[in-house]
Amino acid sequence: TQLLEQSPQFLSIQEGENLTVYCNSSSVFSSLQWYRQEPGEGPVLLVTVVTGGEVKKLKRLTFQFGDARKDSSLHITAAQPGDTGLYLCAGVGNQGGKLIFGQGTELSVKP
Amino acid sequence: KAGVTQTPRYLIKTRGQQVTLSCSPISGHRSVSWYQQTPGQGLQFLFEYFSETQRNKGNFPGRFSGRQFSNSRSEMNVSTLELGDSALYLCASSPGLAVFQRRTQYFGPGTRLLVL
Repeated sequence: TQLLEQSPQFLSIQEGENLTVYCNSSSVFSSLQWYRQEPGEGPVLLVTVVTGGEVKKLKRLTFQFGDARKDSSLHITAAQPGDTGLYLCAGVGNQGGKLIFGQGTELSVKP
Repeated sequence: KAGVTQTPRYLIKTRGQQVTLSCSPISGHRSVSWYQQTPGQGLQFLFEYFSETQRNKGNFPGRFSGRQFSNSRSEMNVSTLELGDSALYLCASSPGLAVFQRRTQYFGPGTRLLVL
């Protein structure tokens, strides 16, 4: 069974701080995605990384796919209260193509 | 394009009852997936439908079932509700079954189900 493990599970920081969220697996994924979910809403796709070693930037967010395509990280620079939410990584599994989600990282950015 | 819509948004039921949730995908999307989200288990895959056929199924009991109509709209049914079924049920659509299509899921806002 393919699993994605996210760390940390909870993160509470002050506005302006930097942070990194990790998504790890013992399995290889053809691609990994990051979603953000706000209270009362469904997850919204932020980025998809496909190539090992790939780095993508979305304003203050930097996403990296590990060289072996088994892990990914999300780095936020100078976090703002608007970044608060649940961050989820997900990958298409090799069992019928189901999308497998990590447990999520609950981020709270205090002003 | 309008996004994925789910109805109802909130629902309260009692143990033993059954419930039907509805999902309308983005226009042109033919694949609809359902997920259960709870604080303890996170997002868990229930099933996926494509062209009215169930293509994938997660590890949930037979009390959870679904169907898809010819217009791609989908319904999910839970029979004999249990307290542990309280959760946010999310529907997501994607353009098709190919891996590059499947990896981008567009989620609806979810239906919050509370079982008393």
